[in-house]
Amino acid sequence: GENVGLHLPTLSVQEGDNSIINCAYSNSASDYFIWYKQESGKGPQFIIDIRSNMDKRQGQRVTVLLNKTVKHLSLQIAATQPGDSAVYFCADETLAGGTSYGKLTFGQGTILTVHP
Amino acid sequence: EADIYQTPRYLVIGTGKKITLECSQTMGHDKMYWYQQDPGMELHLIHYSYGVNSTEKGDLSSESTVSRIRTEHFPLTLESARPSHTSQYLCASRTGYGYTFGSGTRLTVV
Repeated sequence: GENVGLHLPTLSVQEGDNSIINCAYSNSASDYFIWYKQESGKGPQFIIDIRSNMDKRQGQRVTVLLNKTVKHLSLQIAATQPGDSAVYFCADETLAGGTSYGKLTFGQGTILTVHP
Repeated sequence: EADIYQTPRYLVIGTGKKITLECSQTMGHDKMYWYQQDPGMELHLIHYSYGVNSTEKGDLSSESTVSRIRTEHFPLTLESARPSHTSQYLCASRTGYGYTFGSGTRLTVV
């Protein structure tokens, strides 16, 4: 079925660097995208979301970019800190109806490791 | 911090036992979800509910069942646990765009 996937399973960065985590999705009907952070032993924690009528959205130290033409989503983390070390998941949903309405589809996670 | 609670956090149980994983939320959300997650892998939707007396199977086939008798409570039951059910089970609820996840139940069937 439709799915969301990540290009790289692991990413290691130095503290203070910027991190970029990428995600490709295949459901052209998806119109809502979310990035989650999951720390060991915890449930996913919301980071930032974006609707398909936008191509960029910024939060605190995080930016999500959406390229609908190539069905690509990225999460940028500025000045990465050791506390950012976690698994990051992208997820998509169709808000406009259809078979995936009201249900998130998750991609494979990327493990981000931040070295002091 | 969390307004959605899952119990137990960890469970080790023998094959053939019946178990119920509890999930409760205090936010009054109508929509609730159960996801299954193997270590380091993506989450797969196994059940969801859009309100009381509404339950649907998710995208991943599961031998578990759910019920939704009260808005705040969405328990998941395995009638006869097997080693293949070993996994982490995450409960979530939502209102509008936002999803809130519980901390999960890590189930091991021996």
